[in-house]
Amino acid sequence: AQSVTQPDIHITVSEGASLELRCNYSYGATPYLFWYVQSPGQGLQLLLKYFSGDTLVQGIKGFEAEFKRSQSSFNLRKPSVHWSDAAEYFCAVGDGTGGFKTIFGAGTRLFVKA
Amino acid sequence: GAGVSQSPSNKVTEKGKDVELRCDPISGHTALYWYRQSLGQGLEFLIYFQGNSAPDKSGLPSDRFSAERTGGSVSTLTIQRTQQEDSAVYLCASSLGNGETQYFGPGTRLLVL
Repeated sequence: AQSVTQPDIHITVSEGASLELRCNYSYGATPYLFWYVQSPGQGLQLLLKYFSGDTLVQGIKGFEAEFKRSQSSFNLRKPSVHWSDAAEYFCAVGDGTGGFKTIFGAGTRLFVKA
Repeated sequence: GAGVSQSPSNKVTEKGKDVELRCDPISGHTALYWYRQSLGQGLEFLIYFQGNSAPDKSGLPSDRFSAERTGGSVSTLTIQRTQQEDSAVYLCASSLGNGETQYFGPGTRLLVL
């Protein structure tokens, strides 16, 4: 069964600083990987996804993530954080072998300080 | 176009009562998911429907939970004999199919007193 670990419950970064949110997954085959963002009072929104191909994936709002099979990781990055990026970020892994059960990590809450 | 809608947006019920939560997916989306998000927790997968295939119910926490999807569109999640630990936000999502982007509804916030 697949699983997802987000080691950081919360992270605080200064506005303009770079950001990296960690995600490790466990899955027997090539996973489908996702990052979602949940802003206060907003629904979940997909930032980016990886299915195959180029291991560096570009998403919306200037985010990118890199799939590293050897490390079972799919870390999310942004070169310069904006105050509006403060939100909860969820990494998820999907079972692409038939059904499409999606397992989410516990989330990382991002705080941005001025 | 319209996104995923859920109703009610908030539900307060007494312990032991049954509740029904509704999800209207995006038109044309064949896949529909239910998740539960407890306070301060991530999303817990509950159930997944894809077309006419048998649903994946592996995430339902107990036999008090059930869901159906009528006509391949609207879905209802039913919780029987609610318990206080059922209090959470219940999220529905839909997608075009396997592997496609899931679009989430605003959720139903359930409070069991």
